[in-house]
Amino acid sequence: NAGVTQTPKFRILKIGQSMTLQCAQDMNHNYMYWYRQDPGMGLKLIYYSVGAGITDKGEVPNGYNVSRSTTEDFPLRLELAAPSQTSVYFCAIGRTGELFFGEGSRLTVL
Amino acid sequence: GQSLEQPSEVTAVEGAIVQINCTYQTSGFYGLSWYQQHDGGAPTFLSYNALDGLEETGRFSSFLSRSDSYGYLLLQELQMKDSASYFCAVSPSMNRDDKIIFGKGTRLHILP
Repeated sequence: NAGVTQTPKFRILKIGQSMTLQCAQDMNHNYMYWYRQDPGMGLKLIYYSVGAGITDKGEVPNGYNVSRSTTEDFPLRLELAAPSQTSVYFCAIGRTGELFFGEGSRLTVL
Repeated sequence: GQSLEQPSEVTAVEGAIVQINCTYQTSGFYGLSWYQQHDGGAPTFLSYNALDGLEETGRFSSFLSRSDSYGYLLLQELQMKDSASYFCAVSPSMNRDDKIIFGKGTRLHILP
């Protein structure tokens, strides 16, 4: 999806490893979000940010960290990966109910 | 806690009309959105209601009743390409639209 770029698209991690999912946008939106989606389920909000330097916890923040040093970038850090973090991760931008999603990052923890 | 309830699956016939309901229980409410997601794809925005009433966008309409904590998505003239999952989402704050949470989704099956 134009405007929101997520990397990597696929990744396999071993239990206990750490990694960072990258999200970059070129639409100058202040609001950015990280969601995870387990198979056949809805999206769960992990963290969100309303602007550079401001982040807040969502519904399922445990095991994750974020930072927002610039408007463009909103990386999601997984520390000590666990099998329960196997999921598809979506980054989104927008507000007033209208979110624009990246293509997703599929993460498997073995 | 916050919760959004929607049916897990709905089946309809091509060319027909289908309604997908969403009820929410949240500490506050700023607006209700609807998203479509095809298998393997990302969610895409369909519609948003902040006030009571009906919003129409082509074949899709969305309705909101704030007093009933209820909304629905109406899809008309169903096409096979409408086979997808549909999610309602709310901003559960009284005066902020930043935090947005989603329901578990409704899988729409369309029969020819």
